[in-house]
Amino acid sequence: DAGITQSPRHKVTETGTPVTLRCHQTENHRYMYWYRQDPGHGLRLIHYSYGVKDTDKGEVSDGYSVSRSKTEDFLLTLESATSSQTSVYFCATQGGGADSTDTQYFGPGTRLTVL
Amino acid sequence: GEDVEQSLFLSVREGDSSVINCTYTDSSSTYLYWYKQEPGAGLQLLTYIFSNMDMKQDQRLTVLLNKKDKHLSLRIADTQTGDSAIYFCAETLGTDKLIFGTGTRLQVFP
Repeated sequence: DAGITQSPRHKVTETGTPVTLRCHQTENHRYMYWYRQDPGHGLRLIHYSYGVKDTDKGEVSDGYSVSRSKTEDFLLTLESATSSQTSVYFCATQGGGADSTDTQYFGPGTRLTVL
Repeated sequence: GEDVEQSLFLSVREGDSSVINCTYTDSSSTYLYWYKQEPGAGLQLLTYIFSNMDMKQDQRLTVLLNKKDKHLSLRIADTQTGDSAIYFCAETLGTDKLIFGTGTRLQVFP
């Protein structure tokens, strides 16, 4: 594993409240990713980062924002949570070296429930 | 579209072989991956295959790639109860993104 932790691991919140999920890695990996996992959809990319302060949108970015002020931390924010954002959220990292077999390593996930 | 398709469920008897299938979308994908997700955990890389290969074997795992049909399969020999999990195939999109399939839940019964 690439030393990836996610916090919190579980969260229940109410519609309309802001929520921030944190991903922390200790491997100095360049790339970091946020995915959501929902039944029947596999993993879908929300946002990703290819370096400090460099981020880009994935396929399901609406309603989410991210920030990366340090190599080791990648934050995912739901500005105003909705019930459709109830999901399991996974963070992943990738070294970003020249070897294109470089795989993605996943955190343990955060289960978010929006009531 | 960018849909990577997998059947949702597979049930096998312990000791039999399991074959999990995947149809991917981008013929220019350089690598194709198989990940395993155990309950309550993140995904772990099982194996990968380079796009110019037809087959790759790694202990009990055999990956077959048919580029013409964009079909990828994972065969697990002598399936054990510890192999029960969700298996995801994934294809590369550029050099820094992966597209994942919907996942196949493998259930192994005694």
